[in-house]
Amino acid sequence: AQSVTQLDSHVSVSEGTPVLLRCNYSSSYSPSLFWYVQHPNKGLQLLLKYTSAATLVKGINGFEAEFKKSETSFHLTKPSAHMSDAAEYFCVVLFYGGATNKLIFGTGTLLAVQP
Amino acid sequence: GAVVSQHPSWVICKSGTSVKIECRSLDFQATTMFWYRQFPKQSLMLMATSNEGSKATYEQGVEKDKFLINHASLTLSTLTVTSAHPEDSSFYICSASDRRTRAQRHGELFFGEGSRLTVL
Repeated sequence: AQSVTQLDSHVSVSEGTPVLLRCNYSSSYSPSLFWYVQHPNKGLQLLLKYTSAATLVKGINGFEAEFKKSETSFHLTKPSAHMSDAAEYFCVVLFYGGATNKLIFGTGTLLAVQP
Repeated sequence: GAVVSQHPSWVICKSGTSVKIECRSLDFQATTMFWYRQFPKQSLMLMATSNEGSKATYEQGVEKDKFLINHASLTLSTLTVTSAHPEDSSFYICSASDRRTRAQRHGELFFGEGSRLTVL
């Protein structure tokens, strides 16, 4: 079975400080993993994805994530937070369902950025 | 990137009425569209998978007679909430995969901006 766990429901950082959003996964196969961002009352935007290529994945807006198989983790980081980064972040695992693949969403981490 | 449009963005209706939400892929063809429901401060829950020209596949616990899904063309899927009740109030989000790039194979989906339904 495939699942994803986001360890923190809320994270608060100061502008200009590093961001760390944690994600652990469970998968029977080598997984495909994603981070999506959702701003208030908006749809979701893909930040980055891991699909068994390089373990360090760079995404948009300065975000990156590292796939660590030994730790079953895919944590999202950014060296310096910006006010515009305040949003909900979802870690997602791809479930291979035969004819149609499905995305399984984590419970989300709300990132607050303080001035 | 590819654009998915949802309409309406906001809808308020009376209990017992039906509401239709449209999901359109504007610049690509989507053989598969997904409908999600999001409760306040919670994650997205997959409701159903909509395949063009065939019946939708519903997730366990989702009433197919209450949430009618139609995917009549490669660019349009609709979700109709029938006989809506206040507990159906939620944020409904659709997503689609680009048939040309087979992005679905790798899980990359394009999301609409969501439709907030309030049932009075």
